[in-house]
Amino acid sequence: QQQVKQSPQSLIVQKGGISIINCAYENTAFDYFPWYQQFPGKGPALLIAIRPDVSEKKEGRFTISFNKSAKQFSLHIMDSQPGDSATYFCAASKGTGRRALTFGSGTRLQVQP
Amino acid sequence: GAVVSQHPSWVICKSGTSVKIECRSLDFQATTMFWYRQFPKQSLMLMATSNEGSKATYEQGVEKDKFLINHASLTLSTLTVTSAHPEDSSFYICSAREPGRNQETQYFGPGTRLLVL
Repeated sequence: QQQVKQSPQSLIVQKGGISIINCAYENTAFDYFPWYQQFPGKGPALLIAIRPDVSEKKEGRFTISFNKSAKQFSLHIMDSQPGDSATYFCAASKGTGRRALTFGSGTRLQVQP
Repeated sequence: GAVVSQHPSWVICKSGTSVKIECRSLDFQATTMFWYRQFPKQSLMLMATSNEGSKATYEQGVEKDKFLINHASLTLSTLTVTSAHPEDSSFYICSAREPGRNQETQYFGPGTRLLVL
């Protein structure tokens, strides 16, 4: 059972544009939602994360929007740059126990110059 | 920020041999580390949770006798792929949770690419 669904699978954006990646979750026990960026052959790097008590969090060009009632959250990359070209994963974890992450399927972003 | 290292970064081995991968938290102590497996162009799949001083917790479908995990200290966890076969070829990534205020945050290592011939 896929607990975190991510879309689109791939995304092409022009330099300076806005990249938007969406995720939906099923388990209402999730209370931590991070986004990771992964370059080929590298481990994922934490970009930004949000808890469900806020609807939006912004860090530089990256913004997470969170809709608790719809069980959806999204990543917005403003002023997208070619260096942002990577695979992005959303994830979620529950507040109890070992806090293992459940990952979405990933989105390959290509920012064209 | 918290740094996690892995060694080796890549390894090629013959079918039937065992391979050990190390995961270290360099600037913090991690009571819990996680091991993931990632196939090309796919997402990360959690294999097991490594707990310092106790047995690892394996995800459903992961053979504990094949993927041996040892978390002997607060900064080191090892994954040993025993009797490796070509289907074990994959990208193995570990992560560690930094204790303290942001206990939910996981920091990932750079990964180890395993190729079994």
